[in-house]
This record gives sequence, C-alpha cells and structure tokens, in this order.
Amino acid sequence: AQTVTQSQPEMSVQEAETVTLSCTYDTSESDYYLFWYKQPPSRQMILVIRQEAYKQQNATENRFSVNFQKAAKSFSLKISDSQLGDAAMYFCALNAGGTSYGKLTFGQGTILTVHP
Amino acid sequence: DAGITQSPRHKVTETGTPVTLRCHQTENHRYMYWYRQDPGHGLRLIHYSYGVKDTDKGEVSDGYSVSRSKTEDFLLTLESATSSQTSVYFCAISGTGLRYTFGSGTRLTVV
Repeated sequence: AQTVTQSQPEMSVQEAETVTLSCTYDTSESDYYLFWYKQPPSRQMILVIRQEAYKQQNATENRFSVNFQKAAKSFSLKISDSQLGDAAMYFCALNAGGTSYGKLTFGQGTILTVHP
Repeated sequence: DAGITQSPRHKVTETGTPVTLRCHQTENHRYMYWYRQDPGHGLRLIHYSYGVKDTDKGEVSDGYSVSRSKTEDFLLTLESATSSQTSVYFCAISGTGLRYTFGSGTRLTVV
C-alpha cells in the first residue's frame, strides 16, 4: 500500500517571500511519479509540478521547484517570490506503478495563505 | 477543464435515495477515476476504470457502484445515499505518461 503524508495543515508566507511545503511518502515500488496539485477556492485541481522517481534532477516550473530526496522518501515543494494568487490548498500525490498503476494516492493537503 | 465535464455541479438529496453522478470525457483516454474529497483526508479513490466495462474498487468503495458502457462516460452511483457520503466528488482521466485531468467537482449534500 502507498501512503502520502503532509504534516503541515496550514502554512503562511509574506508576498514575495519563499515558502516550503513538506511531503513524505511510502511505497515499495522503485518506479513511481510524484505530483503537487494546487486547489484554489474554485475547487479546480491544477497540476503544479511532476517528478519521475528515476530522474535524479529536481523538477522546476518557473517559481515552483521540488526537493526530491528518494532515499528519505521526501518530496517538498518550494514556492519562490510568493504571489497572492498562490494562496490555495496544496496536495502532494503519488502514483506508485505496479498493481497501483494509474491510481493516485493523495496527502491530506496544506492550506497556504499569502499575506500582502 | 477542457476535455472532461462532471454533472451536476451541486446536488442536495435525501437519505436513502439513489444518486448518480456523471463524468464525460472527450479525450478518448482509457483510464477514468472517481475520488471523494473530505477535510483532513485529501482525495481518496472510490472506483476506477481501465476500459469499457472494466472497473475496479478503490480505497473507499463501500456504498458506491460504477459503470462504464462507453469510453467517454463513467457513472458513479450511490445506491442509497447516507449522510457520510456528503462530500465533494471529483472525476479524473489519465492519458499517456500519467498526465491527469480533473473535472470541476460535484458537491453532494445528503440530508
């Protein structure tokens, strides 16, 4: 079975500052995918960033980057130069492949508040 | 989102009544999923489908059934709605490379 844990129910950051959201996971598979999704009040699930486990290099998308520590099973999201529009619920998710191919396991979510 | 629509967007129903939620895709993707979102739990998988008439249970399948008679449609049925099924329901599809697209969600309230 796969598990994803987000230990920070809420985080806050000042506009233009940097914030890091934590995520740990567990799987026995060696090949898997990790995701960060953003959910604003509109409820829409928006892909922020995606990491393939076999890739050593950390994924980046503009102001968003991850710190992927495979041995520690950690997958944190760093948001640089935070903007008011970054305020949302953020979910970490795992697709573990094998018999779980296609199925996403989500963490509990972290609510991010951005202060002007 | 483009390529996937859920209906209805909101629904209020009474305990004990059957409810069907619909997910429709225009991407011709093989995989379709139903998730529920509850505070403190994130999204949890209810059922998924890997082809027409091919479905399987997810983590929280009790009280739910699904059907997929066409590639584009995936229906979720609550046989007899209970208050514990009050939730936001998301449909998702995935294509090659595990690229997921989510619907806009259905807020279901069981009174």
